[in-house]
Amino acid sequence: DAKTTQPNSMESNEEEPVHLPCNHSTISGTDYIHWYRQLPSQGPEYVIHGLTSNVNNRMASLAIAEDRKSSTLILHRATLRDAAVYYCILRRGNAGNMLTFGGGTRLMVKP
Amino acid sequence: GAVVSQHPSRVICKSGTSVKIECRSLDFQATTMFWYRQFPKQSLMLMATSNEGSKATYEQGVEKDKFLINHASLTLSTLTVTSAHPEDSSFYICSAGSTMNTEAFFGQGTRLTVV
Repeated sequence: DAKTTQPNSMESNEEEPVHLPCNHSTISGTDYIHWYRQLPSQGPEYVIHGLTSNVNNRMASLAIAEDRKSSTLILHRATLRDAAVYYCILRRGNAGNMLTFGGGTRLMVKP
Repeated sequence: GAVVSQHPSRVICKSGTSVKIECRSLDFQATTMFWYRQFPKQSLMLMATSNEGSKATYEQGVEKDKFLINHASLTLSTLTVTSAHPEDSSFYICSAGSTMNTEAFFGQGTRLTVV
């Protein structure tokens, strides 16, 4: 799977929006951009995914650059429960749901 | 969404003993499940791919005789850590997906401590 690059950590204030960036300059045409997050001492949970167009769901929004070499996960109003490690992962087509995890971004939310 | 249940959530065992971890897909059939290991402050590392009715596929550097995987049904995969040693202490996580969903579903994880 192609590699992604994320900042090691980010900080946010509660109730404010958070923009988590991800670079994936070697993305291929069939790679989907997935985001998962892992709360402390838990397994990862799915957040959102997209291919080319921006996506919205109840948890977050995903903004994908026109050239697809980067994307941004947007949490519209951070809460303390959003403090987690966020992983940006590229998955090639139907890769059987196997995911290759990078380092992720540790999001800290201040009250 | 689909649910994957992992059991136990936490286990402490003596060095030299074996520990079995179960991963169940509760509301869908999973022909493939994945086992990951996560050391403190590190990311998840894929250990093996568990295929229903056939042998598991192990990642490079993972000993298949030490980490026994059985996927006897479409809803259950087990990972047995045999002759556990303190260096096997880690957070073990399973995941599964169905053909109906694009996303993967993860178990809650099992914290193994070998003393």
